Amino acid sequence: AQSVTQPDIHITVSEGASLELRCNYSYGATPYLFWYVQSPGQGLQLLLKYFSGDTLVQGIKGFEAEFKRSQSSFNLRKPSVHWSDAAEYFCAVGLNTDKLIFGTGTRLQVFP
Amino acid sequence: DAGVIQSPRHEVTEMGQEVTLRCKPISGHDYLFWYRQTMMRGLELLIYFNNNVPIDDSGMPEDRFSAKMPNASFSTLKIQPSEPRDSAVYFCASSEGLKAKNIQYFGAGTRLSVL
Repeated sequence: AQSVTQPDIHITVSEGASLELRCNYSYGATPYLFWYVQSPGQGLQLLLKYFSGDTLVQGIKGFEAEFKRSQSSFNLRKPSVHWSDAAEYFCAVGLNTDKLIFGTGTRLQVFP
Repeated sequence: DAGVIQSPRHEVTEMGQEVTLRCKPISGHDYLFWYRQTMMRGLELLIYFNNNVPIDDSGMPEDRFSAKMPNASFSTLKIQPSEPRDSAVYFCASSEGLKAKNIQYFGAGTRLSVL
């Protein structure tokens, strides 16, 4: 069955440090790939997406993600984290259906 | 566009009462999704509609939950009777489906507390 795994439930980084959030998926073909961010008390906002082509995609707020087919991964990165990046981050995959499958989320805490 | 609009933002009710959550999708989107988010179970898809027709309601937890989409611009999720374990944040999202590569746009959610 198709699945999305975010192995890190909670990550803490210092402001200004680099960040990488992991996402792995299980699917026979290349799915559509997404990262969403949820700030406290808010809905989910699309950060970036990958459909095809260049495997490094840029998103909003200075985030980027790299699709690695050989590792079935789509990790999210940011070179320098800001305190306002503290939120929950969800990886999602879109298959050849109408639905998205979401990971369980990674909560990011940023220390000053 | 104003995005996906949900109301109310917060709902506090007593066990046994009927609760109705509302959602207005983005104009032109023909898919509408209802999700529930809790600490224990994370983000769960409850039901989704295509062109106002329910396509998959396998995520609806029990018969106490029902959802309708009477027209393209409005949907409701009803819980009757409500129970404390229904306390959660309920999200509505809309999409243009596969033709837009499944990008979903979320509302701000309704935080439900059942006492």
